[in-house]
Amino acid sequence: GAGVSQSPSNKVTEKGKDVELRCDPISGHTALYWYRQSLGQGLEFLIYFQGNSAPDKSGLPSDRFSAERTGGSVSTLTIQRTQQEDSAVYLCASSFGTVNTEAFFGQGTRLTVV
Amino acid sequence: GEDVEQSLFLSVREGDSSVINCTYTDSSSTYLYWYKQEPGAGLQLLTYIFSNMDMKQDQRLTVLLNKKDKHLSLRIADTQTGDSAIYFCAFNQFYFGTGTSLTVIP
Repeated sequence: GAGVSQSPSNKVTEKGKDVELRCDPISGHTALYWYRQSLGQGLEFLIYFQGNSAPDKSGLPSDRFSAERTGGSVSTLTIQRTQQEDSAVYLCASSFGTVNTEAFFGQGTRLTVV
Repeated sequence: GEDVEQSLFLSVREGDSSVINCTYTDSSSTYLYWYKQEPGAGLQLLTYIFSNMDMKQDQRLTVLLNKKDKHLSLRIADTQTGDSAIYFCAFNQFYFGTGTSLTVIP
């Protein structure tokens, strides 16, 4: 597609369940970022993939969070044993290069943990 | 890492200038960005400045960087109702501010 695509757009899950969020970056973009946007908060960086390099996981808030990127394209963010504080909008972005190029954002996945 | 602060709300009258401010703690970031988020939409890059610059102008937008005071600002001249949105400053794509919600009053 023409832009970054995220699915699902909305997800309601029960506390304790695992969820998977998907991101399809713009074709050819080597960098992919995941962020979390909570109500009244800024964007919180979670993880960064760049080409074939090991991902920068420094932003992941706990070991319940993990992400992978298959074939240098699609990425999945997995949250295990979800908690109510995980409720937020999860944003994905991609770019051609590293931190010095424009990042294009998806519309996000709104996760609600009940 | 970077701690980034922004005022949460700003309200201006149509035609006036808007100034959105951002303060930060770490000086190691080389690229400083301003993004705009309209309701129901993703973030969109507005402009950026390199850390070795003091000012950048792009049509109605002026970015000022004061490295001594660790202060970044975005000025929007002749603000229009279509400028109503949330504005985020960002450092090296990793550190984002809390966002400033700009409301333009007709």
